[in-house]
Amino acid sequence: EAGVAQSPRYKIIEKRQSVAFWCNPISGHATLYWYQQILGQGPKLLIQFQNNGVVDDSQLPKDRFSAERLKGVDSTLKIQPAKLEDSAVYLCASSLDLAGSFYEQFFGPGTRLTVL
Amino acid sequence: GQSLEQPSEVTAVEGAIVQINCTYQTSGFYGLSWYQQHDGGAPTFLSYNALDGLEETGRFSSFLSRSDSYGYLLLQELQMKDSASYFCSSPMDSSYKLIFGSGTRLLVRP
Repeated sequence: EAGVAQSPRYKIIEKRQSVAFWCNPISGHATLYWYQQILGQGPKLLIQFQNNGVVDDSQLPKDRFSAERLKGVDSTLKIQPAKLEDSAVYLCASSLDLAGSFYEQFFGPGTRLTVL
Repeated sequence: GQSLEQPSEVTAVEGAIVQINCTYQTSGFYGLSWYQQHDGGAPTFLSYNALDGLEETGRFSSFLSRSDSYGYLLLQELQMKDSASYFCSSPMDSSYKLIFGSGTRLLVRP
């Protein structure tokens, strides 16, 4: 079974520039999550999708961050414009369904973003 | 507020047993999960406790006491490859939002 795929793995940009991350979850997984992990901290949930609908985006800074999962499979997370404090690893995860949130989420390798 | 507290760092010797504690404060309780993350790697699921008691999976065990709002991860027969960060996590509430502790960095010495 293929795991969660993410690209790019690394990205370096200047502040005020835009950046986009892509995620392909495990086949058949209805629930998809984007997390931000700052060095030395635990992952922080940004947004959660069930199929192509948003379940929760209360912790997503909507003035600069956006995410979509148009066909209920792949997802993209965009930052526009980026700030220095956005430097972090952006992790995508998926689970079979919402109940999987409680039990087991499968994480991708992440995208390490550096904002200069 | 809702939070999970863990020690920041633990050091142990190869072959030994180590316990990583987690105390939580959430508005409701929907279980406690543990994840392992090697430097530069993805978090990987280790275990989940919904009810009080011990869950065993090979060298790893996880314990939960809901009355004490406390759980721990027990790693036995430590190996060098167990050096990693370990996170406890729990749904914030019935909305399925998962929150993570800040992680415990385990260093296994020869």
